[in-house]
Amino acid sequence: KQEVTQIPAALSVPEGENLVLNCSFTDSAIYNLQWFRQDPGKGLTSLLLIQSSQREQTSGRLNASLDKSSGRSTLYIAASQPGDSATYLCAVGPNAGNNRKLIWGLGTSLAVNP
Amino acid sequence: NAGVMQNPRHLVRRRGQEARLRCSPMKGHSHVYWYRQLPEEGLKFMVYLQKENIIDESGMPKERFSAEFPKEGPSILRIQQVVRGDSAAYFCASSPPAGPLTGEQYFGPGTRLTVT
Repeated sequence: KQEVTQIPAALSVPEGENLVLNCSFTDSAIYNLQWFRQDPGKGLTSLLLIQSSQREQTSGRLNASLDKSSGRSTLYIAASQPGDSATYLCAVGPNAGNNRKLIWGLGTSLAVNP
Repeated sequence: NAGVMQNPRHLVRRRGQEARLRCSPMKGHSHVYWYRQLPEEGLKFMVYLQKENIIDESGMPKERFSAEFPKEGPSILRIQQVVRGDSAAYFCASSPPAGPLTGEQYFGPGTRLTVT
């Protein structure tokens, strides 16, 4: 059974720092991995989608890497800003036919202090 | 192209009442997923539907919960005889016919259900 773990659960950093959020999964037979952002009381914003055949994806100040064999993904945020404060969620799409239901970590709550 | 729409955004029900949550997928999308986020817990898959078909309902509670995605109209998640433990945020996601192969899901803003 696939399990997704995110470390740390919470992180507080001063503005401008580069930071890394970690996601690990127990079953390496995944189809893809997605990183989302969730603001308090709000919906989910997709940040990056990495297919299982890919090693990384980049969007602006965000870079996500995937090491399928070791069951790990990292989300790197460069030059953090107060507007980056949110909960970051990692979700794995299992390799199960055409059903791409996502399995989620509990998230990392990030606070970037001005 | 409007995104995934969910309504209502907030829903308050008393114990024992019925809750109906609606999800209109993005235009051209024929696959809908429902997820539930309980307070202080992660998101959990509930059900995956295509038009007029339930593909996977392995995450649905055995009783009181049902979902449909008719040929016309939005997908409906229905909770009968709600209890306090049903209070949560319910998110809907949709994907295009190619979606299951690329895995990309687009999420709505969620419906926050409060049972009093």
